[in-house]
Amino acid sequence: SQTIHQWPATLVQPVGSPLSLECTVEGTSNPNLYWYRQAAGRGLQLLFYSVGIGQISSEVPQNLSASRPQDRQFILSSKKLLLSDSGFYLCAGLESNYGYTFGSGTRLTVV
Amino acid sequence: QKEVEQNSGPLSVPEGAIASLNCTYSDRGSQSFFWYRQYSGKSPELIMSIYSNGDKEDGRFTAQLNKASQYVSLLIRDSQPSDSATYLCAVNKGGFQKLVFGTGTRLLVSP
Repeated sequence: SQTIHQWPATLVQPVGSPLSLECTVEGTSNPNLYWYRQAAGRGLQLLFYSVGIGQISSEVPQNLSASRPQDRQFILSSKKLLLSDSGFYLCAGLESNYGYTFGSGTRLTVV
Repeated sequence: QKEVEQNSGPLSVPEGAIASLNCTYSDRGSQSFFWYRQYSGKSPELIMSIYSNGDKEDGRFTAQLNKASQYVSLLIRDSQPSDSATYLCAVNKGGFQKLVFGTGTRLLVSP
C-alpha cells in the first residue's frame, strides 16, 4: 500500500508571501495524485489532480498552481498568498479501487 | 443541487447504540462509493468502500448502497466514544477517478 508524506504540518504566512507545499508518495509508482483544501467547517474541495509527470488538471480557478516534476512528487504553489487561501491542505493518492490515501495535511494560516 | 449531500449533524447516540449516517448523490453514472472518518484536526481515513447495490459489512461497520435511489448509508453498530468524528461520504466522478466529497456528518457518541 502507498504512503503519502506531506510537510510542514502547520504554516503561518503573511499575505502576499509565496507558498510551496510538497507531497511525496511511497510504495507505488505512477499514482494519480490530488490536492484538496478543506476550509474551516467546510467540505473537501478538489484543487488539482495529476495522472503523471507534468500532467496537471485544475478544478477551480484560483491563486494557486501545482506541478509534478517527478513521478512521486506533487507540489502546490502560490506566488502571492491571499487571506482566503487559509485552510487545511491535503494531498491524496489513488490506490486502485480502494479509494484515496491521504497525507497528514498542512494547516495553512495566512495573516 | 450539491453533488454529494450529507446532513451536517451532529448526530448524537449513546454508547452501544447503532449510528446511521446517510448520503445522497446526484450523478447516476457514479460507480464507486466511499466512507471516510475524520477526527478533528486530522486527515480523513478510509473505513469502507462499496461498488454494488446492497450491503457490505466489515466488523462493526455496514455500508449500504441503493443506486436507483442514489443513496449510500453507513451503519455503525455498538457505537463507541472513539467513533466520535466527522464521517465523509465520497463518490467517484469522471474518468480520472476523482472523488467528490460531502461536507460530512459529525457523530457524537456519549458514554
